[in-house]
Amino acid sequence: SQELEQSPQSLIVQEGKNLTINCTSSKTLYGLYWYKQKYGEGLIFLMMLQKGGEEKSHEKITAKLDEKKQQSSLHITASQPSHAGIYLCGAVHNDYKLSFGAGTTVTVRA
Amino acid sequence: DTGVSQDPRHKITKRGQNVTFRCDPISEHNRLYWYRQTLGQGPEFLTYFQNEAQLEKSRLLSDRFSAERPKGSFSTLEIQRTEQGDSAMYLCASSLSTVNTEAFFGQGTRLTVV
Repeated sequence: SQELEQSPQSLIVQEGKNLTINCTSSKTLYGLYWYKQKYGEGLIFLMMLQKGGEEKSHEKITAKLDEKKQQSSLHITASQPSHAGIYLCGAVHNDYKLSFGAGTTVTVRA
Repeated sequence: DTGVSQDPRHKITKRGQNVTFRCDPISEHNRLYWYRQTLGQGPEFLTYFQNEAQLEKSRLLSDRFSAERPKGSFSTLEIQRTEQGDSAMYLCASSLSTVNTEAFFGQGTRLTVV
C-alpha cells in the first residue's frame, strides 16, 4: 500500500542487539496493527494500537503509536534468532479495510 | 484447530486453466478478507465480505477473479484463465465486524502458474 511506508526494507542484527522498525501513514490511523510472517506462511498477529501515544509490549517487543496517529515504531530488545522474519504494519483508515506496508525483513545473526 | 484454514496449501497449474481456492474462517467471524502477496511485498487487498455480502472489490482485481461467500461461512476465490502473473500467495483472513479488531490469517495458498 502506498499509504503505508515501512523502513527499513530489511535489516541484519547481531543476536542480543536491539532493533527498530518504523511505519508511517499518509492518513490518520484509526488502528495500527503489527504482524509477523515467516517466509511462505500466514501472518501472526503481534499487537494493535488505537490511541495516540499508546504503547504496548509483549515479551521483548514494544510498539508505539505517535500522538498524531500517523506513525508507529516496533522495537525489539535483545534480539534472538526466533525474532527473524518479516514484520508487517497494517492500518485501518476510515473504511475498515486493513491495508499493509511492504514489510521489513529481519535477519538475526548468531 | 479453530483458526482460519485454507485449501489447498499449494497449487501448480498450467496457464489458461481455472483454479479455485477455499477459505474457512473462524466460525463466529462475520468479516472475511482475501489478499494476494508476491515476494518482497506486503499483502495486497483483493476483496472482503461482511457475512455473505461482498462489500468491496479492489480495482486491481480483473474480471478473471471472482469470490463468493454463499452462506456467510466459507469463501471461495476463483481465477479463470490463469496467467503467469497470477503466481502469488493468496491469503485469507477473518475478523469480527467491530471497530479495530484484529484479523486472523490462514496459512495461505501458494499458486504457481507454469
